[in-house]
Amino acid sequence: DTAVSQTPKYLVTQMGNDKSIKCEQNLGHDTMYWYKQDSKKFLKIMFSYNNKELIINETVPNRFSPKSPDKAHLNLHINSLELGDSAVYFCASSQETRRREQYFGPGTRLTVT
Amino acid sequence: SQQGEEDPQALSIQEGENATMNCSYKTSINNLQWYRQNSGRGLVHLILIRSNEREKHSGRLRVTLDTSKKSSSLLITASRAADTASYFCATDNQAGTALIFGKGTTLSVSS
Repeated sequence: DTAVSQTPKYLVTQMGNDKSIKCEQNLGHDTMYWYKQDSKKFLKIMFSYNNKELIINETVPNRFSPKSPDKAHLNLHINSLELGDSAVYFCASSQETRRREQYFGPGTRLTVT
Repeated sequence: SQQGEEDPQALSIQEGENATMNCSYKTSINNLQWYRQNSGRGLVHLILIRSNEREKHSGRLRVTLDTSKKSSSLLITASRAADTASYFCATDNQAGTALIFGKGTTLSVSS
């Protein structure tokens, strides 16, 4: 019973393409997140969604857009992919945003060539 | 900007030994969390310690928090090969809406 799932696990694509990564959680949580982990393992928050509302948006290029069709899903769309977008992207969820542990998906390794 | 800094960056020990890793942070916090990441996997929550707590235990894990020094430590006792992973500390951002992670400590436990 996977709590937070992501698809695909690996994504290889060329510069300039548009791609999406899907995320689903079956924990009944009301907040979902997207993180980017670079080659040095540094994790940085990109977005979080609470009750279909974007509540934070760090300094992320507007080529990245989160889409939440419902409380259990938060997909990440990336337009005009660049080499620097290569990283591992993690989806996570939590019950409420403040002071609570987060549950992470297995990650999607994106390689832009 | 990055909130937590783990120390050391890498740690290699033998099975059965204890592993200690430290985390320092910059601003006041409500709580501090520790996560583990096995190679090629997502992060797994280990323990959360609140700002009014000084020590917390969970199985072989012991976490301390010193808010006066803005630091925390994670002790893993009687390490096993399966403990090989990267360990991250995390604190809330200023608005309390997301976690800010440190760079992590990579722990290698050899048998």
